[in-house]
Amino acid sequence: AQSVSQHNHHVILSEAASLELGCNYSYGGTVNLFWYVQYPGQHLQLLLKYFSGDPLVKGIKGFEAEFIKSKFSFNLRKPSVQWSDTAEYFCAVGSSNTGKLIFGQGTTLQVKP
Amino acid sequence: DAEITQSPRHKITETGRQVTLACHQTWNHNNMFWYRQDLGHGLRLIHYSYGVQDTNKGEVSDGYSVSRSNTEDLPLTLESAASSQTSVYFCASSELTGHTQYFGPGTRLTVL
Repeated sequence: AQSVSQHNHHVILSEAASLELGCNYSYGGTVNLFWYVQYPGQHLQLLLKYFSGDPLVKGIKGFEAEFIKSKFSFNLRKPSVQWSDTAEYFCAVGSSNTGKLIFGQGTTLQVKP
Repeated sequence: DAEITQSPRHKITETGRQVTLACHQTWNHNNMFWYRQDLGHGLRLIHYSYGVQDTNKGEVSDGYSVSRSNTEDLPLTLESAASSQTSVYFCASSELTGHTQYFGPGTRLTVL
């Protein structure tokens, strides 16, 4: 069965620090990969996605993620975080075969000004 | 602009009552999904639909039902609300299976 694991449940950083959130998945076939962000009190919004091609994908607000197929990973990065990045971040995996997205448990990011 | 809406945004009900949460999308997407979000569990899939008259159970479907009579709507019904169903419920839709899902604003349900 597909599963998604986010290793960091709660991350606290100071502004301007670099961010890397881990995401690993288990699925043997072709996958689509996503990172969603949920700001406090709001709904989930797409941050970035990978379907095929260049494994380094860039998203909104300076976020990027790298797909490493051999490691079944899709880690999210940002060189310098801002207070406004405080949010919950979800990694998700989908495939055309199953039709569904499987979400990780989420990582809460708190950025201190 | 196309959007996905949910109503009500907040609901308080009593144990044993039937509750229906509405989800309406104007994207004309065939695929629609219902999730619940709870601390420590992330998002869990309740039910989903790939088109009119199609419904499928997700990982936490017990106590919930859905029906799909048109493309735009996928109402979620709690047949007999239980305190364990206190949660935030999100509806989502997608154009293609396994592809980007667009989420509604959520409904916060409290069962007393």
